[in-house]
Amino acid sequence: EAGVTQSPTHLIKTRGQQATLRCSPISGHTSVYWYQQALGLGLQFLLWYDEGEERNRGNFPPRFSGRQFPNYSSELNVNALELEDSALYLCASRRTGGTDTQYFGPGTRLTVL
Amino acid sequence: GQNIDQPTEMTATEGAIVQINCTYQTSGFNGLFWYQQHAGEAPTFLSYNVLDGLEEKGRFSSFLSRSKGYSYLLLKELQMKDSASYLCAVRNTGGFKTIFGAGTRLFVKA
Repeated sequence: EAGVTQSPTHLIKTRGQQATLRCSPISGHTSVYWYQQALGLGLQFLLWYDEGEERNRGNFPPRFSGRQFPNYSSELNVNALELEDSALYLCASRRTGGTDTQYFGPGTRLTVL
Repeated sequence: GQNIDQPTEMTATEGAIVQINCTYQTSGFNGLFWYQQHAGEAPTFLSYNVLDGLEEKGRFSSFLSRSKGYSYLLLKELQMKDSASYLCAVRNTGGFKTIFGAGTRLFVKA
């Protein structure tokens, strides 16, 4: 069974630009979570999508947004990039109705110059 | 509000046993997870506790006391490859939101 996949692996942008990160969940998983992990810090919850809808979001500004597609894959968009947005962005998927264990993808390393 | 506390760093010797503690406050508890994260890699699932007691899985065990808001992860027969960060995460009843602690960096020395 294929795990959660994310693309790209690395992304380098400059301040003010926009970044798009992609995630494909494990087959059969309908929930997708996005987290930000800045260097040396814990995972900060960003967004939760389930069945195509945004169900919850963390304490991040509106320039962090996303969507979930009919095939349950997801995009995270970050507009007007700032230097402090440099972090590892992790996507996790969960099977709705299961034990709620989240399985993580390898992450996208975003660097803002 | 929600808060998760765990030690920042721990050091242990190869072959020994180490216990990593986690305390939490949450408005509506609905499960506690432990994840292992090696540097530069994604977290990998270790254990899940929703009822009080000890869950054992090979060299790893996890304990939960809901009344005390307390959990620990016990690692036995430590190996060098166990050097990693260990993340405690709590799911609450409101919207299946899972909050992660900052993680405990474990260093295993020979």
